[in-house]
Amino acid sequence: GQNIDQPTEMTATEGAIVQINCTYQTSGFNGLFWYQQHAGEAPTFLSYNVLDGLEEKGRFSSFLSRSKGYSYLLLKELQMKDSASYLCAVRDGGAGNNRKLIWGLGTSLAVNP
Amino acid sequence: DAGVIQSPRHEVTEMGQEVTLRCKPISGHDYLFWYRQTMMRGLELLIYFNNNVPIDDSGMPEDRFSAKMPNASFSTLKIQPSEPRDSAVYFCASGGWGGDRGPYEQYFGPGTRLTVT
Repeated sequence: GQNIDQPTEMTATEGAIVQINCTYQTSGFNGLFWYQQHAGEAPTFLSYNVLDGLEEKGRFSSFLSRSKGYSYLLLKELQMKDSASYLCAVRDGGAGNNRKLIWGLGTSLAVNP
Repeated sequence: DAGVIQSPRHEVTEMGQEVTLRCKPISGHDYLFWYRQTMMRGLELLIYFNNNVPIDDSGMPEDRFSAKMPNASFSTLKIQPSEPRDSAVYFCASGGWGGDRGPYEQYFGPGTRLTVT
């Protein structure tokens, strides 16, 4: 079956570093996405990985290991505004036009002063 | 660019009534997605279109749900009759080639919060 696992909740301190893990089991793989969703708002795109390794974008980095079915999102120099839910999503692949994403339930991150 | 536009933002209706949600995707995007989000089930894909054609509707819960995309700039999701268990936030998203931000990125609208009493 298709499954994406993430921790439900995490807590961290302002200025610190936090790593949010995501493991997936899907019938195919053609890319992994991370989205951020603030309470009451829509998800917004953070990062995309399709090859193994680390992608860095400012304070946020995302890592992928396809052989392990594993990804993490790394947030550095945490700010209060980073308190949000972080969603991991996998594009299953399959037929060339498949754009369907399989979504995790999200990790709710609370950043404390 | 105005982003993805959804209406209404909030809808409260009684069980048995028809509900119509509307979406205007970002101009130039050739994919449109309808999602439902609840605390228990997270974000669920209901249906998606490519160039106005439905590609995958396997997530549509039952015959009470229907979606149309008559042209590239408009889509509707209809629930008839509505039930209390349909209460959720419904998101519309559009996507295409994301350029240097990666392919297949989806841009979400603000969502419609539906409450069925």
